[in-house]
Amino acid sequence: EVQLVESGGGLVQPGGSLRLSCAASGFTFSRFSMNWVRQSPGRGLEWLSSVSSTSRYINYADSVKGRFTISRDNARNLLFLQMNSLRAEDTAVYYCARDLVATVTGEDFFDYWGHGVLVTVSS
Amino acid sequence: DIQMTQSPSSLSASVGDRVTITCRASQSVTTYLNWYQQKSGTAPKLLISAASTLHSGVPSRFSGSGSETDFTLTINSLQPEDFATYFCQQSYSFPRTFGQGTKVEVK
Repeated sequence: EVQLVESGGGLVQPGGSLRLSCAASGFTFSRFSMNWVRQSPGRGLEWLSSVSSTSRYINYADSVKGRFTISRDNARNLLFLQMNSLRAEDTAVYYCARDLVATVTGEDFFDYWGHGVLVTVSS
Repeated sequence: DIQMTQSPSSLSASVGDRVTITCRASQSVTTYLNWYQQKSGTAPKLLISAASTLHSGVPSRFSGSGSETDFTLTINSLQPEDFATYFCQQSYSFPRTFGQGTKVEVK
């Protein structure tokens, strides 16, 4: 059974840092691209970042570029999101999501999501 | 960035109704369009990929159609467990973008 379990959320002051982790199990982690997506009442679902299976390709949303860093450890089946210079508007539930890419058509989608972890940025 | 616009933002329906949700992209995404269902307090769940491909385990009352910029999610004979929020998402280009969601409520 595919499982994605996020951790590392919590309350942090503006300007602070936090590192989220996503522990993957039930599939060959090293074969899949992974993503971080967040959700807040005011901003809906917002894709933040993706990392390819070997970490060769990484993409970020403009809203987090330069502040957040995605990484992965395929040996330990872990995905990370290092979040620096946090702002109040970063307050959200953060999800990790597996990216399934259809090899023939190239279409891709998020087929498994973690349960999410709450990050609150407040003084 | 490709903007995704869903309509309506919410709708009220009864069990057994046919429900249609639309999603419009600000530019062509061909068929790189996915639909997700989210129930309160839980993560989104994939329903449909590539505009019309039903994900494994999703009931056949759900269907998707469309291409380029205009897409539709249809729920035939709405069931009690279908009251939720539905999101479209494009995977044509980065950044990936989602629609704002359509909440399907009990009438």
